[in-house]
Amino acid sequence: DAKTTQPPSMDCAEGRAANLPCNHSTISGNEYVYWYRQIHSQGPQYIIHGLKNNETNEMASLIITEDRKSSTLILPHATLRDTAVYYCIVSRPTDKLIFGTGTRLQVFP
Amino acid sequence: GAVVSQHPSRVICKSGTSVKIECRSLDFQATTMFWYRQFPKKSLMLMATSNEGSKATYEQGVEKDKFLINHASLTLSTLTVTSAHPEDSSFYICSARGWGGGQETQYFGPGTRLLVL
Repeated sequence: DAKTTQPPSMDCAEGRAANLPCNHSTISGNEYVYWYRQIHSQGPQYIIHGLKNNETNEMASLIITEDRKSSTLILPHATLRDTAVYYCIVSRPTDKLIFGTGTRLQVFP
Repeated sequence: GAVVSQHPSRVICKSGTSVKIECRSLDFQATTMFWYRQFPKKSLMLMATSNEGSKATYEQGVEKDKFLINHASLTLSTLTVTSAHPEDSSFYICSARGWGGGQETQYFGPGTRLLVL
C-alpha cells in the first residue's frame, strides 16, 4: 500500500504557484520523498526527490517539514502543460516505487 | 534526465496470441528494471522487478507464466504477454533505475498501450 496521502484534485491559475501537499507520517529515516507526474497517456516523469533538506531544480521545489512527516511540491509558475496527475512516493533508493492515487492538478487559463 | 524507450507504443492483437514489449535504457545501464500496468483512470500497479541476468520477482497476484519477463542485458528488458485475452488490455509501462542529471532514481518509458480483441 502507498505510504502517502494526497488530495485527489487541485486547481491552479496559469502563472501562479502550484503547491501540492503530501502527508507521509510513517516515513522511515532512510526513505526519500519522490515526486513524479503523469501527463495523460504518457509514462510518469521524474520531478524531484529529497531526504530531509529542501531541494530545488529547474522544474520544481520540494519543501520537507523538519519532522519529515509531510512535504510540499511547488511549481513556481504553473503553465497549462503542468496539468497532470502528481504522485508523491516515499521509498528507499534501492526499493521499488509504489504509486498511490496522486493529485490531479488542473491548471486553468 | 535518463531516457527510457518502449516499443511498440501501441499494439492490437487477437485473443490467444502473444505480444512482446521491449524496454530500453538509451543512455545509461540499468541493472534493475520494473514493469507496471495501468487501467483507465487508475494508478500504476507494479507487476514485477527485473534484474539483469536473473529471474524476475513478481508482485503478489501477477501470474509469472502469463507475463514473461526477460532482462538479458543492462539496457534491455522484455515483457511478453502470453495467450493474451481482452482483460489483458491495458497500458504497460516500464521503468529503469539509473543516473540522470546527477540523481539516481527510476526513469519511466512512454508506455505501451495493448488492446486485445
